[in-house]
Amino acid sequence: QKEVEQDPGPLSVPEGAIVSLNCTYSNSAFQYFMWYRQYSRKGPELLMYTYSSGNKEDGRFTAQVDKSSKYISLFIRDSQPSDSATYLCAIPGGDYKLSFGAGTTVTVRA
Amino acid sequence: KAGVTQTPRYLIKTRGQQVTLSCSPISGHRSVSWYQQTPGQGLQFLFEYFSETQRNKGNFPGRFSGRQFSNSRSEMNVSTLELGDSALYLCASSEGLAGVTDTQYFGPGTRLTVL
Repeated sequence: QKEVEQDPGPLSVPEGAIVSLNCTYSNSAFQYFMWYRQYSRKGPELLMYTYSSGNKEDGRFTAQVDKSSKYISLFIRDSQPSDSATYLCAIPGGDYKLSFGAGTTVTVRA
Repeated sequence: KAGVTQTPRYLIKTRGQQVTLSCSPISGHRSVSWYQQTPGQGLQFLFEYFSETQRNKGNFPGRFSGRQFSNSRSEMNVSTLELGDSALYLCASSEGLAGVTDTQYFGPGTRLTVL
């Protein structure tokens, strides 16, 4: 079983829709959770990170962690065509290795 | 500051050959990590170098090796290339050891195709 599981999609939504992305993880000891965004032909860039359970907002982006279910989510409100990218969840283990989800490719249609 | 740079951007090799990829981290960053990204396996950690020492290693065969120089630049080498080594190889740098407190900044990657 992979440490982090993510539905690769792809996901296609109309402009203005809410995008919902999810990951599950296996190790209940994980404390930090990250979301990266990767545009085509670019390397990933850190979008947000959260600690423990709860929500964190940054503009149109909300990251949510449910440690009891070992489930993390990223929501994008009022999605724009510029949000079209691959979104990867990532979790650092105790040995500092980052485990990434497979990535979900999102297309926002104008 | 200039971002992470990787050379070459594209590479075509044949099975059995070897290849060396180069990464220049952001100025002042001492940690360089390497990742392999494929459609099937996603982004997988290869190894991390900090101050010229390998600090961490992923689950890859010994054909994959790396090194870091005193100026923090890093190279990754793959010997006896196999078709399955075709992938995007990404380098990421951070000020300290990669983790939560030290954000990793990724380069654009080197696209390796093995024929």
